Amino acid sequence: DTAVSQTPKYLVTQMGNDKSIKCEQNLGHDTMYWYKQDSKKFLKIMFSYNNKELIINETVPNRFSPKSPDKAHLNLHINSLELGDSAVYFCASSQEYYGYTFGSGTRLTVV
Amino acid sequence: DQQVKQNSPSLSVQEGRISILNCDYTNSMFDYFLWYKKYPAEGPTFLISISSIKDKNEDGRFTVFLNKSAKHLSLHIVPSQPGDSAVYFCAASPGADGLTFGKGTHLIIQP
Repeated sequence: DTAVSQTPKYLVTQMGNDKSIKCEQNLGHDTMYWYKQDSKKFLKIMFSYNNKELIINETVPNRFSPKSPDKAHLNLHINSLELGDSAVYFCASSQEYYGYTFGSGTRLTVV
Repeated sequence: DQQVKQNSPSLSVQEGRISILNCDYTNSMFDYFLWYKKYPAEGPTFLISISSIKDKNEDGRFTVFLNKSAKHLSLHIVPSQPGDSAVYFCAASPGADGLTFGKGTHLIIQP
C-alpha cells in the first residue's frame, strides 16, 4: 500500500511540450513537496504546499507550477519543457516538521 | 513494504561522542547507497555515498559502512558537533535508476 505515489515513473517528451507529474499521498499529511534532483544527487526543493500556504523556491522558473486539487494530491505542471528540465523529480509529504515520506521519483527526459 | 528502513526515528548523542545512524534494506538489486542531511525548512542535502563494491567510505568526520550480507549500512559521525543536529535520510538505488528513501532519523546533539 504505497504511501506517496508518483506517476509516471518515466516520462520522455519533446522540447516545448507541456507535461504533468502526479503525486498522491494516503498518509493524511498536511504538507507536500516537490524536489528536483540534480546530477550530483542533490535534492533541491521546488515547492512546499499545505492547505494554507504555497511556498515557492524563487529559483524555480515560472514554467513550473504546482496544482493541488485536494490535500492528498500535489501535481507538478511544466510548460514549454526545455532540455535542462531533464532530471528526477521527487514528491514528498510530511505531517510533523521532521516526518518525511518520499515518493519513488519520476525520471523526466526532454529530447 | 518498505525497502529502506531506518528503525530509529530519533537519536540523542552527547557532543564530542560518536553518532551511529543505522539503515537496513531489503532489495538485493540496490548497489548504491547515500546519506542525506536535512535541516528544518530546507531540502535534504547529499552527505556521503557508498557503492556496493566497497564496504567503507570516509569523508572527514563522516564514515559510511556497508554490510552487504546483512543488507545493512550505517553512518558514523565522529566527533559529533552541535551543527550535526538534523534529520538524516538513508537512500538506496539500483544503479542509476531512482532512489528509495528511508523515513529518516532525527539526530540530536546534546551539549
